Amino acid sequence: GAVVSQHPSRVICKSGTSVKIECRSLDFQATTMFWYRQFPKQSLMLMATSNEGSKATYEQGVEKDKFLINHASLTLSTLTVTSAHPEDSSFYICSALLGQDVTNEKLFFGSGTQLSVL
Amino acid sequence: AQSVAQPEDQVNVAEGNPLTVKCTYSVSGNPYLFWYVQYPNRGLQFLLKYITGDNLVKGSYGFEAEFNKSQTSFHLKKPSALVSDSALYFCAVRDMGNFNKFYFGSGTKLNVKP
Repeated sequence: GAVVSQHPSRVICKSGTSVKIECRSLDFQATTMFWYRQFPKQSLMLMATSNEGSKATYEQGVEKDKFLINHASLTLSTLTVTSAHPEDSSFYICSALLGQDVTNEKLFFGSGTQLSVL
Repeated sequence: AQSVAQPEDQVNVAEGNPLTVKCTYSVSGNPYLFWYVQYPNRGLQFLLKYITGDNLVKGSYGFEAEFNKSQTSFHLKKPSALVSDSALYFCAVRDMGNFNKFYFGSGTKLNVKP
């Protein structure tokens, strides 16, 4: 099956610093990628939709200036957590959409990034 | 807005017994429903989906799901559970009228005991 690589898998940073998370589709091109945040109680919250060559679409309540998304190529989307604070500590997951239409499209997920802000 | 709900945080079942993981949905228009599984330290994996057609959808690893329009449910089932099925299961709905976004339920942890 298709592979989505997410890096790093774990990062620890100091409060106030910025952290970049990369999401790559290794064997397919993805015009659309999604970024999720998974909370300790298991729920998966959609943060934003990343579209290649255009601005990301953010969900209500997600600060676009804090969570910068760049989808500069058909195989790479990045999420930068700017001026991170302890409350940003979470598990971040990216996914990429593969397929030609709704009948065969599937989401493929990265293995996630555990962010810990001290 | 489209949404799905998973009423159970955890489901416990003995190996060899049938299992059901519940999901209900709320959508406007035709529902596009999915099940994903998350194993420890691994990304979510696609199990099955309902777009249209037969209400009983068969997927990976022997799982199936039944679409019930009158009850707005899309429960995941397997006739005989395996210990290796223990994982976190997510129901999801695709909002075709809103940039094709996928929205996930809160997840259900399935524990299959030997």
